Amino acid sequence: KAGVTQTPRYLIKTRGQQVTLSCSPISGHRSVSWYQQTPGQGLQFLFEYFSETQRNKGNFPGRFSGRQFSNSRSEMNVSTLELGDSALYLCASSFGTSENEQYFGPGTRLTVT
Amino acid sequence: QKEVEQNSGPLSVPEGAIASLNCTYSDRGSQSFFWYRQYSGKSPELIMSIYSNGDKEDGRFTAQLNKASQYVSLLIRDSQPSDSATYLCAVEVLGGSYIPTFGRGTSLIVHP
Repeated sequence: KAGVTQTPRYLIKTRGQQVTLSCSPISGHRSVSWYQQTPGQGLQFLFEYFSETQRNKGNFPGRFSGRQFSNSRSEMNVSTLELGDSALYLCASSFGTSENEQYFGPGTRLTVT
Repeated sequence: QKEVEQNSGPLSVPEGAIASLNCTYSDRGSQSFFWYRQYSGKSPELIMSIYSNGDKEDGRFTAQLNKASQYVSLLIRDSQPSDSATYLCAVEVLGGSYIPTFGRGTSLIVHP
């Protein structure tokens, strides 16, 4: 069974630009969650999409947004990039029910200069 | 506020020893518990899940859950240098958002 895929794997952007990251979940999984990971803050939850609806949201500013398509693929957008947005962005897919085992993609390493 | 606490380490053990990683959580409504392994520069990989009190074994890994004491642990038997990684504990609350809360992780170093 194919795992979670994320594109691109690496990205370098300039402050003020915007970026779109993509995540394709494991076949059959309806939930996609996005996380930001930095050395100082650990793994921080951004938001979760389930059946094309945002079901849960973390404490991030509105510059961070996302969406999910009917095939469960998800995109995350960050507008007006700041230096502090440099991080590893991870998506995780799951069935989205109780006993919710999440499987992570390889991540997108975003560097903002 | 749901909290999941782990000792950041590093926990250093010799090759062949048992590594014991611990995690405590604050919400008594927690029902699902997960251990992830994360190598430096890589994404977390699910290695164990446990839902009932007691032990669950999978190869060299044993997860132990004690809901009364609100802790979950991961034992790694016959530790190998390849086990050197950060281990993340994640906890999901019954009737909650289905999104687990992650601890900050414990760094494990297995030295030859």
